[in-house]
Amino acid sequence: DAGVIQSPRHEVTEMGQEVTLRCKPISGHNSLFWYRQTMMRGLELLIYFNNNVPIDDSGMPEDRFSAKMPNASFSTLKIQPSEPRDSAVYFCASSLFGGGAGEQYFGPGTRLTVT
Amino acid sequence: GQQVMQIPQYQHVQEGEDFTTYCNSSTTLSNIQWYKQRPGGHPVFLIQLVKSGEVKKQKRLTFQFGEAKKNSSLHITATQTTDVGTYFCAGPGSARQLTFGSGTQLTVLP
Repeated sequence: DAGVIQSPRHEVTEMGQEVTLRCKPISGHNSLFWYRQTMMRGLELLIYFNNNVPIDDSGMPEDRFSAKMPNASFSTLKIQPSEPRDSAVYFCASSLFGGGAGEQYFGPGTRLTVT
Repeated sequence: GQQVMQIPQYQHVQEGEDFTTYCNSSTTLSNIQWYKQRPGGHPVFLIQLVKSGEVKKQKRLTFQFGEAKKNSSLHITATQTTDVGTYFCAGPGSARQLTFGSGTQLTVLP
């Protein structure tokens, strides 16, 4: 089992540029989560999909952030335009069960730096 | 909305000493989960507690779920340098997602 796969692992970009983060969940898992982690704010849930449908996107900071899950094996988180305050580690996680019912498996994360 | 508070935020212990982190929720939880994140790593699931008053052990780690299902604790006996990391509790929130506590960062001094 390859686990949750995220790419890229590191991304450095300039302010104003578009950033796309990618995630492949564990096969068979029907829930996918995007988190952001910073020293100041800790681990924050951005958006949660169940069966490819967005269930809760209340954590998405603003319109610059968007997420899609076109099929059960792929999701993207896009930031456009990026800003320095978006610098953080972005984690994707998947779960066999929806919501908070079951354990979540986290990917290795994407460390984003916006200069 | 539901909040999960965790204390302490930081803990430094000498290797061999015990360590405890506490988690408190503003609402009753159907279950509580614990995760560990090593420095530079990602959160890794440790355990899930479901029953009121439940106690589970994993080697030197002891997890408890309160009788009212609003608090939980993780106790490590005789810490080792491999225990270094941040320990998070997490409980189901509204819309059935997980709400993570702020974490307790454990440093073990050799």
